[in-house]
Formats: sequence, structure tokens, C-alpha cells
Amino acid sequence: DAGITQSPRHKVTETGTPVTLRCHQTENHRYMYWYRQDPGHGLRLIHYSYGVKDTDKGEVSDGYSVSRSKTEDFLLTLESATSSQTSVYFCAISEQGGYIQYFGAGTRLSVL
Amino acid sequence: KNEVEQSPQNLTAQEGEFITINCSYSVGISALHWLQQHPGGGIVSLFMLSSGKKKHGRLIATINIQEKHSSLHITASHPRDSAVYICAAIYGGSQGNLIFGKGTKLSVKP
Repeated sequence: DAGITQSPRHKVTETGTPVTLRCHQTENHRYMYWYRQDPGHGLRLIHYSYGVKDTDKGEVSDGYSVSRSKTEDFLLTLESATSSQTSVYFCAISEQGGYIQYFGAGTRLSVL
Repeated sequence: KNEVEQSPQNLTAQEGEFITINCSYSVGISALHWLQQHPGGGIVSLFMLSSGKKKHGRLIATINIQEKHSSLHITASHPRDSAVYICAAIYGGSQGNLIFGKGTKLSVKP
């Protein structure tokens, strides 16, 4: 199994509070991705990174920011959480763009 | 808009049956992934293919570029194959970003 750790695995928070999710990899892969998964939708890309300090927006980036200061860590921040951001969040890694992706175990976030 | 459509949405089979899950996409993909999401939520990549056919154990994935269609087959299905199967397309020039189908929920009964 690819070495990907997401933390926390579960979080309950209140509307308006900031939240940061962490993805840590031990594979030294260049690409890292944050997705959200909601009923009735496929996985949707939030943001991705193609190197340290190199990030770009995905399909559903509004309300989210990311940072990657080290190869192994990719942080997803909800500056002011809203109930619409209640979801399961997955991190994935890939050696290069267009290569097979390996997924973390997911973080279940509830915003009340 | 680049889209990925899967069918069927839900599938129930008896143990031992041959199963086919379909995926269609719009033009311009460079590769297609098949993934499996376990009932516990974990996601595993099964195949990535850009042409022809790939086989791993009882799983076979095919892709027809001209028809913009891919299939995932499971031979001699087993209850442990019960999961959601997801196809995802990589469109050229997208930095390798995936566009996901909504998944096919497979339940194999003993």
C-alpha cells in the first residue's frame, strides 16, 4: 500500500470555524490531490499540487485553500467552514500527472 | 464539458456470475482509470489503460478509443467483490486530473 496518511480521520466542527486537513506521504511522489466525495456526485477535485509551492485549483475550489511547503505534506484549509462543506475528503498522490493515483483513507468532516 | 458516464448505477449478482460495468466518456482522453471503493470507504486503483485490454486475476478492463467506451469485467464473481466501482478519465492537457464517474454499486449475493 502506498504510504499516505490523512489526519484527522473524523472531525466535527461548527459553522464559521477554520479547519485544516493534512495529507502526508512517504512515497516522494510529485503530485498530490484533494478530492471531496458527496452522495449523487462522483469524486470532485478541489485543489492539486505538482510540486513544492506549486498548486492549482480544481473543479470545486471555492472556500478552500491549500499549501505545500514540503514534498510529503499537502494541507487543505477551510477558512470558515460551512455546512455545504460537510463531506468525505480524500487525498491522493501520483508520481506524475496522468499516472495512476493512490488514495488515502479519507477524512469525514461534519460542519454543524 | 468533459464527462464520464457509468452504467448501471446499481448491480446485484449471484455468486459466480460474470459481471460487466460500463463507462463512456467524451473525446480527448489520454487514459482511463478503474477504481474500487470498499464498503469501508477506502479507494484502490485497479487499472489504468489507454488502449486494448488489461487483466489482473478475475478482473479484466477493456477500452475502445473509437467508441469512447470502457468496460470492467469480473469473472466468477464473489461476495468479496461487493464494492463501488468507479471509472475516471484523464483528459489531455489537464495535468493528469481525473474526471470521475458516479460509480456502480455492485452487490454479489452468496
